Amino acid sequence: GENVEQHPSTLSVQEGDSAVIKCTYSDSASNYFPWYKQELGKGPQLIIDIRSNVGEKKDQRIAVTLNKTAKHFSLHITETQPEDSAVYFCAASKSSGGSNYKLTFGKGTLLTVNP
Amino acid sequence: NAGVTQTPKFQVLKTGQSMTLQCAQDMNHEYMSWYRQDPGMGLRLIHYSVGAGITDQGEVPNGYNVSRSTTEDFPLRLLSAAPSQTSVYFCASSYSVLAGGRDTQYFGPGTRLTVL
Repeated sequence: GENVEQHPSTLSVQEGDSAVIKCTYSDSASNYFPWYKQELGKGPQLIIDIRSNVGEKKDQRIAVTLNKTAKHFSLHITETQPEDSAVYFCAASKSSGGSNYKLTFGKGTLLTVNP
Repeated sequence: NAGVTQTPKFQVLKTGQSMTLQCAQDMNHEYMSWYRQDPGMGLRLIHYSVGAGITDQGEVPNGYNVSRSTTEDFPLRLLSAAPSQTSVYFCASSYSVLAGGRDTQYFGPGTRLTVL
């Protein structure tokens, strides 16, 4: 089955700096790669996703890049703010029957943004 | 819309007891799933359902049972609780059709379960 590795496990940055979290996946058939943010005591919330026919996607301060050849994808957060502090999870899945419901998650990155 | 709701928020069981974790969604999503989250392990898929009457196993199904009699509800049953099932459980749902990003998975707030 799919295996997703996520690095680093913890990341501490100063407010205003950029943060980068990297993930690799094992199944070359995977074609959907979402990123989730989880705040303390809450469920994961989708912040951005990318499909295998796209190399990069950006949404304001957040961007995701995908390298299908190397089987890795990354989350980039620019101009970090204290409210960006949370645990971030990457995930991968194969589109099957039109839906990406079987997600395989990385183990998470605890991001701390210091004021 | 209330989105995905889960009850209870917290539960303490003794080894051998059984219980049902409830999950409901009001978004008319066909796909629903259960994950468990353990420290340093990310989220792991327990069971999932692609529609009413259809369920299948995920990565870690042992010790859990599910059924899907309606589109809205997807309960998770622990048949005989064990300390290894101490975890935070999340239910998620999504549309069935890959169209315009409608396959986004929406997660509930979670149930924190402790088995003594």
